[in-house]
Amino acid sequence: AQTVTQSQPEMSVQEAETVTLSCTYDTSENNYYLFWYKQPPSRQMILVIRQEAYKQQNATENRFSVNFQKAAKSFSLKISDSQLGDTAMYFCAFLSGGGADGLTFGKGTHLIIQP
Amino acid sequence: DAGVIQSPRHEVTEMGQEVTLRCKPISGHDYLFWYRQTMMRGLELLIYFNNNVPIDDSGMPEDRFSAKMPNASFSTLKIQPSEPRDSAVYFCASSPGAPNQPQHFGDGTRLSIL
Repeated sequence: AQTVTQSQPEMSVQEAETVTLSCTYDTSENNYYLFWYKQPPSRQMILVIRQEAYKQQNATENRFSVNFQKAAKSFSLKISDSQLGDTAMYFCAFLSGGGADGLTFGKGTHLIIQP
Repeated sequence: DAGVIQSPRHEVTEMGQEVTLRCKPISGHDYLFWYRQTMMRGLELLIYFNNNVPIDDSGMPEDRFSAKMPNASFSTLKIQPSEPRDSAVYFCASSPGAPNQPQHFGDGTRLSIL
């Protein structure tokens, strides 16, 4: 079974700063997918960014980028030029690529952007 | 396109009552997932369906929980009888085609069992 660990329960930064959220995972698989989801106070689960394990290039989506280190089983999320609207819970999630399965989530990091 | 639709958004009921949560997946999505979110356990997969057939229900906590998908556009998660420890937010999600496609989540149902 896979496990996902987010070691930062809460982080707080000033608006416009850059922040990095950590995620490590454990798996014996070689083919898989990794995701970051954002959950604002409205409770929605919003996909932020996605990484395929077979791709060496790190995924980017506007201000959001990841640092994917496959050997280290690390998948961190970097948010540049942080905005007040980035305040939310952020969940790292693992999905097996070898067959049908659901997402395995980390416990989440509560990110607070201070004005 | 309409997203995943869940109802009700909030449910408050007394211990021992039957609770039914509903989900309408995105049209054309072949996979449907039910997750539960609690402070203690985080987000955990309960069950998922492929083409209306339950594939993995190993996450269903007890026999009091059951899920059905009678057709491609509707699924239910039922708890009978409900207990206070079932209080949580229940999410439904769907994905197109292969399960390695991103899952789209509904807004969740916040369930409170008194």
